[in-house]
Amino acid sequence: DIVMTQTPLSLSVTLGQPASISCKSSRSLLRSDGKTYLHWSLQKPGQPPQLLIYEVSNRFSGVPDRFTGSGSGTDFTLKISRVEAEDVGVYYCMQSTHLPPFGQGTRLEIK
Amino acid sequence: EVQLVESGGALVQPGESLRLSCAASGFTFSRYWMDWVRQAPGKGLVWVSRISGDGSATSYADSVKGRFTISRDNSKNTLYLQMNSLRAEDTAMYYCVRVEDYWGQGTLVTVSS
Repeated sequence: DIVMTQTPLSLSVTLGQPASISCKSSRSLLRSDGKTYLHWSLQKPGQPPQLLIYEVSNRFSGVPDRFTGSGSGTDFTLKISRVEAEDVGVYYCMQSTHLPPFGQGTRLEIK
Repeated sequence: EVQLVESGGALVQPGESLRLSCAASGFTFSRYWMDWVRQAPGKGLVWVSRISGDGSATSYADSVKGRFTISRDNSKNTLYLQMNSLRAEDTAMYYCVRVEDYWGQGTLVTVSS
């Protein structure tokens, strides 16, 4: 099984300040087609997860540009340039190459 | 618009069975791998099972292997999860997921005597 490790597990951020979440996989997520199927999703309180970033760095439809994904191979990062109140929730890095697809998540709260 | 609507959740006793359904619309269902993911109250997401677009390939988490069966009917655009020998620790919200992007709202399964 693949292990997806996110750090930190929780994050307390002042409104308007940046935030960063790291995701490391125990195996490379680069596929033979040259693409890396690493995605970021946010589960807001009381809702199912919603896709933010797909294939490392592509923002999903309607996602604000304050969200940026980067990385390659086994190391990935999600950055929020200026945290807003609506960004509260649990962030998951997810991959679709191996099983299981995700780790424990990172909880973001407003300080 | 992609929609995934789960149904079938209920309160059941330990040892009983339940079948969850997920009605898909807004996309060509047979082209996509699908997952079931669960979330116990106040806990994180846990992957349960995956099925290929044509239904020929399936995978299960160790915690449900031998008890749960994932299947699909592409003529009805519907995904299923047959859950047998249910245990208290299976209590959770169960989500239907189009692998990589869309999630349903979930259906609640409670296993309690």
